[in-house]
Amino acid sequence: EAGVAQSPRYKIIEKRQSVAFWCNPISGHATLYWYQQILGQGPKLLIQFQNNGVVDDSQLPKDRFSAERLKGVDSTLKIQPAKLEDSAVYLCASSRGQGVFSGANVLTFGAGSRLTVL
Amino acid sequence: ELKVEQNPLFLSMQEGKNYTIYCNYSTTSDRLYWYRQDPGKSLESLFVLLSNGAVKQEGRLMASLDTKARLSTLHITAAVHDLSATYFCAVGADGLTFGKGTHLIIQP
Repeated sequence: EAGVAQSPRYKIIEKRQSVAFWCNPISGHATLYWYQQILGQGPKLLIQFQNNGVVDDSQLPKDRFSAERLKGVDSTLKIQPAKLEDSAVYLCASSRGQGVFSGANVLTFGAGSRLTVL
Repeated sequence: ELKVEQNPLFLSMQEGKNYTIYCNYSTTSDRLYWYRQDPGKSLESLFVLLSNGAVKQEGRLMASLDTKARLSTLHITAAVHDLSATYFCAVGADGLTFGKGTHLIIQP
């Protein structure tokens, strides 16, 4: 099966500019996640969608970050305006979701979008 | 708030040696995941541990889970250079909380 697709792979912007990242999950995966991974740290969950509804966005800085998942498939993550501390890799992941299979909810990650804010 | 702590955060070892990475978490969970990340790459699922006492093995890696102690271990047997990577443990029923990772370097 095709993996999780993300674009762009790399983006360099100046602070206060805006940027958008796109993610296409594995076909049939109901749950989609956006994670932020700062250099040298573990991924941090920003937002989780179940189909096109938000399940958890408690760690999303809503004053500058927004995300949507139209039609329950592709998703976009936007940052406006960007700050220096937003420099990170933004990882999209998808899974079949809890409840479909009792037990494991293995997340499959995309290659990530590396953002540098100058 | 769920906290996941790994130690050590950095490990340099020689080929052929054995070592263990530890993962502690702060709240009750019976699902624990181990991922591997190579430099500049994304995360790859290694193991899923779903119950107390669960043990999974793949090649030179073996993972175990003690839910009562809220502890998982990732044991490396007779390390080889190809195992050099960053290893993350993650906990959660749905959205996962990750540790900071253990950066493992295996030298010839």
